[in-house]
Amino acid sequence: ETGVTQSPTHLIKTRGQQVTLRCSSQSGHNTVSWYQQALGQGPQFIFQYYREEENGRGNFPPRFSGLQFPNYSSELNVNALELDDSALYLCASSRGDRNEKLFFGSGTQLSVL
Amino acid sequence: SQKIEQNSEALNIQEGKTATLTCNYTNYSPAYLQWYRQDPGRGPVFLLLIRENEKEKRKERLKVTFDTTLKQSLFHITASQPADSATYLCALENQGGKLIFGQGTELSVKP
Repeated sequence: ETGVTQSPTHLIKTRGQQVTLRCSSQSGHNTVSWYQQALGQGPQFIFQYYREEENGRGNFPPRFSGLQFPNYSSELNVNALELDDSALYLCASSRGDRNEKLFFGSGTQLSVL
Repeated sequence: SQKIEQNSEALNIQEGKTATLTCNYTNYSPAYLQWYRQDPGRGPVFLLLIRENEKEKRKERLKVTFDTTLKQSLFHITASQPADSATYLCALENQGGKLIFGQGTELSVKP
């Protein structure tokens, strides 16, 4: 059984650029949630995908978008990057559309210069 | 608005003592509450889930209580060890059914 993997681990972009972050969910899990974590803060919910459909969204602008693929892996896309987008982006997978016991990846550290 | 509050100040304790971390919430009626551990540069790791009809739950040296009247959960680590040093996060489902986290409390256990 493989865990949640995210790529890349680190990324440096400049303001205005676009970025795509990737996540492979744990075997048997069909739900993926994305979180943004600023330094010293808790993870902030961005959105969730269940069976390839968006299943809830947090307080993030439309330039944050995502996809879930038939194999339940997922992408997070951020357009028109801003300095405040610098953070650790976490992907978590779970079974069904419940939020009991999320399995997190190690995250992608994004720096926007 | 819905809020989850954890002790923002780091908790420093001596090895062997019991660590107690607090999670308070407002404007929620969660069916369950979860605790996660996060080490620097890593994703959170699930520790325990306690449901609204459970007063207490234990797992090895960990104990969680859930008081829906006080809107509070307490997380205890007994016989703490330096390896327990980490940030501990509590999490609840919001009204939209999505898991929302507190800001976390950093625990440091000194030998």
